[in-house]
This record gives sequence, C-alpha cells and structure tokens, in this order.
Amino acid sequence: GAGVSQTPSNKVTEKGKYVELRCDPISGHTALYWYRQSLGQGPEFLIYFQGTGAADDSGLPNDRFFAVRPEGSVSTLKIQRTERGDSAVYLCASSPRVNNEQFFGPGTRLTVL
Amino acid sequence: SQQGEEDPQALSIQEGENATMNCSYKTSINNLQWYRQNSGRGLVHLILIRSNEREKHSGRLRVTLDTSKKSSSLLITASRAADTASYFCATVLTGGGNKLTFGTGTQLKVEL
Repeated sequence: GAGVSQTPSNKVTEKGKYVELRCDPISGHTALYWYRQSLGQGPEFLIYFQGTGAADDSGLPNDRFFAVRPEGSVSTLKIQRTERGDSAVYLCASSPRVNNEQFFGPGTRLTVL
Repeated sequence: SQQGEEDPQALSIQEGENATMNCSYKTSINNLQWYRQNSGRGLVHLILIRSNEREKHSGRLRVTLDTSKKSSSLLITASRAADTASYFCATVLTGGGNKLTFGTGTQLKVEL
C-alpha cells in the first residue's frame, strides 16, 4: 500500500520567506509526527498530532514554526520568516496508534539561502 | 536535544561478518526502537523492544535491552553489502507521549 508521502521533496527559499511543507500519512493512521534532521545528526522531534489536535508541540523551536492537521489526515508544517539555520530535512511519520513503530516519509529538504 | 548515543560512530566490516552497535540513553523509557537510514529509502523501522523485554529477534537482527544500564545493542548477523546504512536507536520516554528521541547514529559500511 501507499506509504507516507511528503511534498515538495526539495524546497529552496530565501531568508525571510514563508514556506509550507505537506505530509500525507498512511490512510487510517491517527498519529502524525514531524521531525527535523540536520546533516550528520539524528532526527529531532518537532510536533505530534493525535487526530486533529497537537498532542505535543514541545519540539517546535520558536513561534515561527506552526503545524496544522485540520481533518485528521494531511498535515502542513508552516515556517514564517525563514532563517538559514532552518535548513534541514523535515521528516514526517505516522503510526496507527500510540507506542507503535512509526512509518517515515522520504522527507523535504529545505534550503534557506 | 538527543537522548541517546550510539557506539561506535562508524563501523566498517566485510560481508558475512557480524555487526554490533550499541546505544545508551539517559532516562526511563517505555520502549526503544532501531531504525535504518540510507539515501535510497529514507528511515525504515527495524525492530521495537519494550521496557519489560530483554531480547528480541527479527530475521538477521537481534536486539537486547538492559534497563538497569540504560543501554541496548543491535546485532546484525551475516552482514550484506545492502546493510550499508546509518542505524539509529530511538526511545519513547516514560510519560513522554509517543515522540521518538533519536541517538546520533552509527554509520555501517559493509564491504564486499
């Protein structure tokens, strides 16, 4: 079946611009997660949704970052006033229930010039 | 912040040999998971071990968990060139919801 998909696969933007990254989870998975991975590091947690609500947003670095999941399926990660330090691969994952394995998408590589 | 650390950071072996990677973590966990990442397929889940389990097997993979030492190990037996990848341990902390806290990873290279 279809896995987690993320669009775009690559995004190049200029400092100060706004970007949106999209995640389509596996159908029926109620939990959705966003992580960020810098070169040579493991992924770092950003935010987790259970259904439509953000169950834990403690990993969002500051208020420039925001994520939504209005219908409990697709999620969008929004970054305002991008900075060069935001450059990373943004990973999305979904799982059918809590404390289960997570299925990751291929990621969106964000480059802020 | 990263919770765990993998050891070694890099490992190079010959095809057919076994590869062992270790992971240490700092706080109480609900479960520990191992993931593989390569450029071709992204992050792939390998195995999950719960805090009340000590050992688990899946094909050529064997994972152990020692909660008293806050450590885990991943053993890949009879390695293949296709096992070349980065391997990460990730923990779900007790009371931490379902978010994964990843370690720094081990880069494994299996040579023909």
